[in-house]
Amino acid sequence: AQKVTQAQTEISVVEKEDVTLDCVYETRDTTYYLFWYKQPPSGELVFLIRRNSFDEQNEISGRYSWNFQKSTSSFNFTITASQVVDSAVYFCALSEAQGAQKLVFGQGTRLTINP
Amino acid sequence: DAMVIQNPRYQVTQFGKPVTLSCSQTLNHNVMYWYQQKSSQAPKLLFHYYDKDFNNEADTPDNFQSRRPNTSFCFLDIRSPGLGDAAMYLCATSRRLAGGFTDTQYFGPGTRLTVL
Repeated sequence: AQKVTQAQTEISVVEKEDVTLDCVYETRDTTYYLFWYKQPPSGELVFLIRRNSFDEQNEISGRYSWNFQKSTSSFNFTITASQVVDSAVYFCALSEAQGAQKLVFGQGTRLTINP
Repeated sequence: DAMVIQNPRYQVTQFGKPVTLSCSQTLNHNVMYWYQQKSSQAPKLLFHYYDKDFNNEADTPDNFQSRRPNTSFCFLDIRSPGLGDAAMYLCATSRRLAGGFTDTQYFGPGTRLTVL
């Protein structure tokens, strides 16, 4: 069975600080996808990144970066120089690589950026 | 322009009164999903359609049904809502690609259902 664990339920930092959201996953599949979604107070899930299990390269997109380590089954997300607009709930998710791509979500991390 | 649209954004119904939630998409995606997200919890998949092929999750209650009359629209019917069905209902779409791979899911804004 697939499982995603986000151990940090809530994080609160001051604006401009760097913050890392942890994600650990379990799967028996040899190929799979990992995702991060952002859910602002409005409720919509906003896609941030998808990573194929074959691709362990880290990725940077502006202030966002992701560190995928297959050896520790982790897919951590770092926001550099955080801003108030980054406040949201962030979900890490896992899916099979083939088929319907059913997403299994972690419990989410509520991130609050204080001015 | 909105690509996955859900109507209404807020729905109030009475205990036991059937309710229908709507999702439409302009992406021409062949896969549509319905998720239920209760307060402070992760989204949970209820079912999905691949074209007209309906796929129910094993633990989705019989109280939940779905219809997909065409590529663009998908409906979630709750036959007899209970207090425990109060939640955010999220619709998502994606493309099934050649080779059996499915592209990224894109979500609508959700419908928040209140049951009185």
